[in-house]
This record gives sequence, structure tokens and C-alpha cells, in this order.
Amino acid sequence: KNEVEQSPQNLTAQEGEFITINCSYSVGISALHWLQQHPGGGIVSLFMLSSGKKKHGRLIATINIQEKHSSLHITASHPRDSAVYICAVQRAGGTSYGKLTFGQGTILTVHP
Amino acid sequence: GAGVSQSPSNKVTEKGKDVELRCDPISGHTALYWYRQRLGQGLEFLIYFQGNSAPDKSGLPSDRFSAERTGESVSTLTIQRTQQEDSAVYLCASSLRVRGAEQFFGPGTRLTVL
Repeated sequence: KNEVEQSPQNLTAQEGEFITINCSYSVGISALHWLQQHPGGGIVSLFMLSSGKKKHGRLIATINIQEKHSSLHITASHPRDSAVYICAVQRAGGTSYGKLTFGQGTILTVHP
Repeated sequence: GAGVSQSPSNKVTEKGKDVELRCDPISGHTALYWYRQRLGQGLEFLIYFQGNSAPDKSGLPSDRFSAERTGESVSTLTIQRTQQEDSAVYLCASSLRVRGAEQFFGPGTRLTVL
């Protein structure tokens, strides 16, 4: 079982819909990252969370440390939101605490 | 510079040749990471550097892979005797520090081993 599991793997939505992508992890973490990868391959950091909730424009990220679960929400989705969304965690301790462990990504397609 | 830069953007090489990939992190970022993404697959950690500490090499897939970093600046990832399974996009990222800091990614180097 992967340390980081995302769902769904693929998501198709109509413009304007509210979207949720989920991430579950099985290890103790110091931080969880949400990343966006566009078709051209570039990766952009959306959020870094260690507790609670963060909002940036139409994007909202939440994390529940006790349940080892995070969600990424997109309100009023738009075709330009089409991308791969990747959840990644940094372990809380041990010798490799700096590295990111990645989920497999969620492919989001938003149709006009 | 404004962001993380990597060179070359594309590299095609023949099996058995050595390649060197370069990463220029954001100025002032003490942590630097190398990741790999094979076609259609997720991201894999390779190695990270934190200041003057010994690098964490736990993700390097074989002894053909090595990386160096000069102080808190440029890093090079070297792959010796390349194999076809080394074909991938190699991504570099940097952050202010290892703990509790956002990672900024470069555009990647697409390596194709023929």
C-alpha cells in the first residue's frame, strides 16, 4: 500500500462545478503539500499545510491530522483548472524528513 | 534569478553514455531536491541537500546516479552508463529550509536514452 493515496484518479467536471480531491496518508507528517502539474509538465506549489485550512482564490485546502486526511477543493471550476493535482507529504521524523513522498496524482478535466 | 532553472531542457543520449544535468536554485534557498518522473508515472524522490549537511541519497536508484552541490548554489545530477529505463523528466526543487517550507520546482530536464 502506498504511503500517500489520492482519490479519485480521474475527475471530469463541467465548468462552474465544485470539485473535491482527497488525499490519505499513513505516516506521521510535518507538512502536506498540494501541487499542480499542467500538461506542459511544469509543477507549481499550491499549498503547504500542517494543520487547519488555507484558502487562495478559488482553491481551499484542509487537513485533519488525527484522521491523516487532506482535501483540495476548487470552487467555480474553470477549464484552465484542468491539470494533474498531486498530494505530497513530508515525514515528521527519521533520517529522510526532508523528502516529499507523492501520491499518484488526480487528473482533472474541466469542460466548458 | 526569479525561479529555479534547469539545463538542458532536453537531452537525448545513447545507452551507455554519461549525462550531467544542472540545477540553479532560487538564491538564498538552503535546501535543494532532485526528483524523477517517468512517463505516465508519479514523482519519485532521488536526493536532497540541506546547507552543509551530508545529502540524503536514499532515493538514488543505483550507484550510477550521483549528485553534487556547491555550497548553497548550483547542483549537478550525473547519470553514468545510462540505460533506457533512465529516460524520464528530472525535476529540481529548492526551498528556504527543509522543514515547513514550500518547494519551488524547476521546469525539468527531459532525458531520453536511445
